[in-house]
Amino acid sequence: QQPVQSPQAVILREGEDAVINCSSSKALYSVHWYRQKHGEAPVFLMILLKGGEQKGHDKISASFNEKKQQSSLYLTASQLSYSGTYFCGTSEYGNKLVFGAGTILRVKS
Amino acid sequence: NAGVMQNPRHLVRRRGQEARLRCSPMKGHSHVYWYRQLPEEGLKFMVYLQKENIIDESGMPKERFSAEFPKEGPSILRIQQVVRGDSAAYFCASSPASYNEQFFGPGTRLTVL
Repeated sequence: QQPVQSPQAVILREGEDAVINCSSSKALYSVHWYRQKHGEAPVFLMILLKGGEQKGHDKISASFNEKKQQSSLYLTASQLSYSGTYFCGTSEYGNKLVFGAGTILRVKS
Repeated sequence: NAGVMQNPRHLVRRRGQEARLRCSPMKGHSHVYWYRQLPEEGLKFMVYLQKENIIDESGMPKERFSAEFPKEGPSILRIQQVVRGDSAAYFCASSPASYNEQFFGPGTRLTVL
C-alpha cells in the first residue's frame, strides 16, 4: 500500500522553512527521500533505517517515528534550487521501494 | 565513480514492436531495481534483480514484460508487443546491497505511437 504524503504542494519564499510528511500503514524497515525535477531522475536525499541509523546530505534533515511509521523531511532556509517534487519511498524488508504520490515544492524569489 | 547509466534515453516504438531498455549499475553495485513513472505520477516498482537472479517481480505485468541481469553486461528490461499504455519513463536504480540507499539512472522515456 502506498504511503501518504502531505502536503500535496507547498509554495515558499527563499529562506523559508518547510516540512514534508510521509505516513505508512505498514511496519517499515526504512524510509527513503528523493527530490525529482521535471524531466529528470530522482535524486537521493536521505535514508532512515529502523533502529535510528540515517544517511544523507549534510544540509537535509529528517526524522522517522518507528512507533507511528511516520517520517518527516525538514527543509530549512530554502533556496530556489530546492524546487521540485519530493517523494518518500518506503520499504518493509529493505529492498523494493513503494513511493508516495509526491509533494510539489516551489520556492520563489 | 560513474553513476547509473541507462540507454537509450529516448525510445520511440510503434504498437506491436519490441522495446529493450538497458541499465548499467554503479560500479560495485550488484542490486538493480526497475521502476516505471507515468506522466505526472509517482514511481511504481516493477522488478528487483541481483546478478543472474530475479528476486522480486511482483510489480511487473505477467505478460509482455521480462527482465534479466546477466553475469556479464547490463540489466535489460524487455517489453514485447508494446501498446500505447506502455508509454512512460522507465528508471533503473542500483544499490550495493539490499537495505541500502538506491541511486537512480537518468531514465528511458518510451513513447509508443
